Amino acid sequence: KAGVTQTPRYLIKTRGQQVTLSCSPISGHRSVSWYQQTPGQGLQFLFEYFSETQRNKGNFPGRFSGRQFSNSRSEMNVSTLELGDSALYLCASSHGLARNTGELFFGEGSRLTVL
Amino acid sequence: AQSVTQLGSHVSVSEGALVLLRCNYSSSVPPYLFWYVQYPNQGLQLLLKYTTGATLVKGINGFEAEFKKSETSFHLTKPSAHMSDAAEYFCAVSDSFGNEKLTFGTGTRLTIIP
Repeated sequence: KAGVTQTPRYLIKTRGQQVTLSCSPISGHRSVSWYQQTPGQGLQFLFEYFSETQRNKGNFPGRFSGRQFSNSRSEMNVSTLELGDSALYLCASSHGLARNTGELFFGEGSRLTVL
Repeated sequence: AQSVTQLGSHVSVSEGALVLLRCNYSSSVPPYLFWYVQYPNQGLQLLLKYTTGATLVKGINGFEAEFKKSETSFHLTKPSAHMSDAAEYFCAVSDSFGNEKLTFGTGTRLTIIP
């Protein structure tokens, strides 16, 4: 059974640009969550999508957005990049059902460097 | 809001010694608690979770954790450390029932001394 796949694994952007990250969840999983990991702030929740609908959202500015497609694949976009957006962006998938709450399966992440 | 506090950002133990990683939580409702492990250049992997029922939870790789409501703690232990246990460990609490939003602690980096 294939795991969670994130692309690209590494990317470098400059301030002011935008970036799109992609996540393919485990087959059968309907929930996709995104987290930002930095040395200073640790792991912070960005948002979660379930069946193409945003079900929960963290405390990030509107420059951070996401979407989910009918096949459960998800993308997140960051516009007008700032130096502080440099981070490892982790995607996690799950069944999304109440009994499975918290059992997240993580991808290896997309490491974004903003210059 | 719920939160978790991990005491000790770095812990070093000798191979074969007891591993104890501390986690305390704050929650206004019965919590769902988790331990995740992150190996270098990898994503996180679930070690174990507590939802309801038995307070001593066994996980993968010989780890276990005990939910102690009176102490608001969920410490992770392993009787005998192995070199392969070197990683970063995160305690997390589910923010609310029925969705996947987790609040993570700041992590504890475990080093195993040969």
